[in-house]
Amino acid sequence: ETGVTQSPTHLIKTRGQQVTLRCSSQSGHNTVSWYQQALGQGPQFIFQYYREEENGRGNFPPRFSGLQFPNYSSELNVNALELDDSALYLCASSQVGQGSLGGYTFGSGTRLTVV
Amino acid sequence: SQQGEEDPQALSIQEGENATMNCSYKTSINNLQWYRQNSGRGLVHLILIRSNEREKHSGRLRVTLDTSKKSSSLLITASRAADTASYFCATGEVGDDKIIFGKGTRLHILP
Repeated sequence: ETGVTQSPTHLIKTRGQQVTLRCSSQSGHNTVSWYQQALGQGPQFIFQYYREEENGRGNFPPRFSGLQFPNYSSELNVNALELDDSALYLCASSQVGQGSLGGYTFGSGTRLTVV
Repeated sequence: SQQGEEDPQALSIQEGENATMNCSYKTSINNLQWYRQNSGRGLVHLILIRSNEREKHSGRLRVTLDTSKKSSSLLITASRAADTASYFCATGEVGDDKIIFGKGTRLHILP
């Protein structure tokens, strides 16, 4: 049974650029949630994807968007990068409805630095 | 937005001592979970306590929940160097699959 895999592990982008982060969910899981964690802070919920559609969104602007693919993997896209987007981006997979019941498996994250 | 606050923000104790971290939250919850994060990497689920439970144990971990005060505590007994990490509480609400994290407590175990 594989866990959650995120790529790349580190990324440096310039302000105004666009970035795509990728996540492969754990075998048997059908939802993917994305979290942003600024330095010294707790993770903040960006959105969740289920059945290839957004299934809940946190307080993030539309320039944060996502996709889920038929194999349940997911992408997080951020357009028009700002310096404040520098953070660790965490992906978590679960069976639908089980994440909030302790069923999340987290990846190791992508560290994004915007300069 | 963050659900609540952990207290203290940072804690340093000697190996072998007990570590206690507290978490307060704002809304009605279905359950409360504690996670550990090593060196700013992935989160590992430690323990979940349901809103109708008051105390739960798992190995060296003891969690309490007081829904009237909207607070929880995590006790790690007989701490080890490997317990050095950040600890986060996260709440799950009824009818919502996302979990909301607090700001975390950074625990450092001194040799």
